Amino acid sequence: DAKTTQPPSMDCAEGRAANLPCNHSTISGNEYVYWYRQIHSQGPQYIIHGLKNNETNEMASLIITEDRKSSTLILPHATLRDTAVYYCIVRAPYNQGGKLIFGQGTELSVKP
Amino acid sequence: DGGITQSPKYLFRKEGQNVTLSCEQNLNHDAMYWYRQDPGQGLRLIYYSQIVNDFQKGDIAEGYSVSREKKESFPLTVTSAQKNPTAFYLCASRPKDRPTGELFFGEGSRLTVL
Repeated sequence: DAKTTQPPSMDCAEGRAANLPCNHSTISGNEYVYWYRQIHSQGPQYIIHGLKNNETNEMASLIITEDRKSSTLILPHATLRDTAVYYCIVRAPYNQGGKLIFGQGTELSVKP
Repeated sequence: DGGITQSPKYLFRKEGQNVTLSCEQNLNHDAMYWYRQDPGQGLRLIYYSQIVNDFQKGDIAEGYSVSREKKESFPLTVTSAQKNPTAFYLCASRPKDRPTGELFFGEGSRLTVL
């Protein structure tokens, strides 16, 4: 599974968009990009995933560059409850041997 | 409500004792996983099971054991052979027919060895 690089920490003002970057320059053609977040001392929560196209759901948007070497998770209107560690993970489908491997993530602090 | 239940949430044990952490899911998921998390670190895979009565070692299986006698249950035993057992342990599951689907996590069990 490809490795990812994320900034260790970021700040965002409440109500503004939070843009979390992720580099995955060695991503393979069958690997998806996943985002999870973990609020302190809780289990990780799935946010969104994508392969090539940009994706949006009720929580966030995922923008994947055309060469797929990087992506950005966008929380459109960050709230204090979005303060968490955000993990960007790339992996192949489980039936192709893919595993979910968590790095150290980005610690997002949303400030009033 | 459907979900994954881990127990106990907090556990204290003396060095040299075996400890079993419970993980139960009522999501009818086929695959289940155990991860370990240390302070400031990401999650590391200990064991996983894709079907009943079958399981595979993850990246850090030494000092741990599991069983999968029922689809709903995947208990993890931290044995006395595990050199640094103090950690946050997370159980997760997923349906087998969704190879690109997300993992569902429990709320975790925090083990402290005194």
